[in-house]
Amino acid sequence: DIQMTQSPSTLSTSVGDRVIITCRASQSISTWLAWYQQKPGKAPNLLIYKASSLESGVPSRFSGSGSGTEFTLTITSLQPDDFATYYCQHYHDYPYTFGQGTKLEI
Amino acid sequence: EVQLVESGGGLVQPGGSLRLSCAASGFNIRTAYMSWVRQAPGKGLEWVSVFYSDASTHYAESVKGRFIISRDNSKNMVSLQMNSLRVEDTAVYYCARDPVATAKIFDYWGQGTLVTVSS
Repeated sequence: DIQMTQSPSTLSTSVGDRVIITCRASQSISTWLAWYQQKPGKAPNLLIYKASSLESGVPSRFSGSGSGTEFTLTITSLQPDDFATYYCQHYHDYPYTFGQGTKLEI
Repeated sequence: EVQLVESGGGLVQPGGSLRLSCAASGFNIRTAYMSWVRQAPGKGLEWVSVFYSDASTHYAESVKGRFIISRDNSKNMVSLQMNSLRVEDTAVYYCARDPVATAKIFDYWGQGTLVTVSS
C-alpha cells in the first residue's frame, strides 16, 4: 500500500497568513492526489484534485502543486472560514490512502 | 443536485452485524464508483470499500472477508453489510462518489452515519 505522510500535523496560524501543507507519498503517484477540508462533525469537502485542479466553487486562495511523491497545498491570505483539518489522499490505485491530517489552529 | 444520505448506523456488540445504506439522488449510481470511507473518533480517514460501475468490488484488508458492499440499481442505493464487527470498526461511515469519467475523486460525500461497536 502507498503511504501518505502529511506535515505538519498542527499549524498555528492567523488570519491573513500564507499556509503551506506538505504531503509525501511512499512511491510515485504521478498527479493522482486530492486535498480535502474537513470541519468538526462534517464530511470532508474536495478542494483540489489531480494535484493542482481547483474544484468548482472552491476559492482561488487554495492551490495545489506537485507530482511524483511530493505535493503541497497552499492557502494564501487565510480566512476565518479556513480553520479546519486538511487531508491529502492518493488515488493512484486501491487501496486509496489518506494523510494523517493537518489541523489549522488560530 | 447530487445528494448522498447514509442510514443504518447504531450500537452493536462485538461479533454482531449491521447494514448501512447510502441513498443517492441527482445522478445514476451505475455511472459512478461508490465508496465507503470511515473515520474513527478523533482519527483520520480510511477508505473501506468500492463498488465499481461494472459491479465488481474491492475492499481494504482490514475489512476483507467481513464486509460486503452491494448496489441496488432500482433504489439508486449502495449498501455495506458489516459482519463480525470489532471494537476497532467503531467510526463514522461515509459514502462517497467517484465520478469516474473525470479526473476527480470523491466529489460528493454523505453526512455520515455512526457505528459504535461495544459491549
